[in-house]
Amino acid sequence: AQTVTQSQPEMSVQEAETVTLSCTYDTSESDYYLFWYKQPPSRQMILVIRQEAYKQQNATENRFSVNFQKAAKSFSLKISDSQLGDAAMYFCAYRSASTSGSRLTFGEGTQLTVNP
Amino acid sequence: DTAVSQTPKYLVTQMGNDKSIKCEQNLGHDTMYWYKQDSKKFLKIMFSYNNKELIINETVPNRFSPKSPDKAHLNLHINSLELGDSAVYFCASSRVRNEQFFGPGTRLTVL
Repeated sequence: AQTVTQSQPEMSVQEAETVTLSCTYDTSESDYYLFWYKQPPSRQMILVIRQEAYKQQNATENRFSVNFQKAAKSFSLKISDSQLGDAAMYFCAYRSASTSGSRLTFGEGTQLTVNP
Repeated sequence: DTAVSQTPKYLVTQMGNDKSIKCEQNLGHDTMYWYKQDSKKFLKIMFSYNNKELIINETVPNRFSPKSPDKAHLNLHINSLELGDSAVYFCASSRVRNEQFFGPGTRLTVL
């Protein structure tokens, strides 16, 4: 079974600074997807970024980028120019690429605080 | 024009009662899910339906029964509610192998 680990329960960053959230995962599969979801206090789950395991290029979405290290099974999220609205719980998630593997396996989450 | 909607958003009930949470998606997706988020914010899959067929059934008490009347709806019925059922329940949908879109969540409190 796949597992996802986020070793930082809490992180804080100053507004306009850069922060990196860590995620490691364990799997025996070679084809899969990785995601970062954001959950603000409204509790809505919002997809931040997605990475296909077969792609070597790291995904980027505006101020959000990932560092995907397949051999190390590491998938960190970098938030540049942090904004107050980035404050939220961030979840790393894994999904198998097999047709029957549609579930998301989540990490424990990292609570990000953005200080003005 | 909400993509994935859930009703109700808040549900407070007594132990032993039976309750349902409804989920609807208007994205044309063929797969729908129920996740449970516990008090420590941990999210875990409960059920998944693809084209009205149950494809994932995690180790969930049989007091929980999902029902999918059509591809756009996946309801969750819970019998004999217990204190430990208090949590936030999320519905989600996707096309197979694509990213999942989540509903706003239903906060269930069992007294």
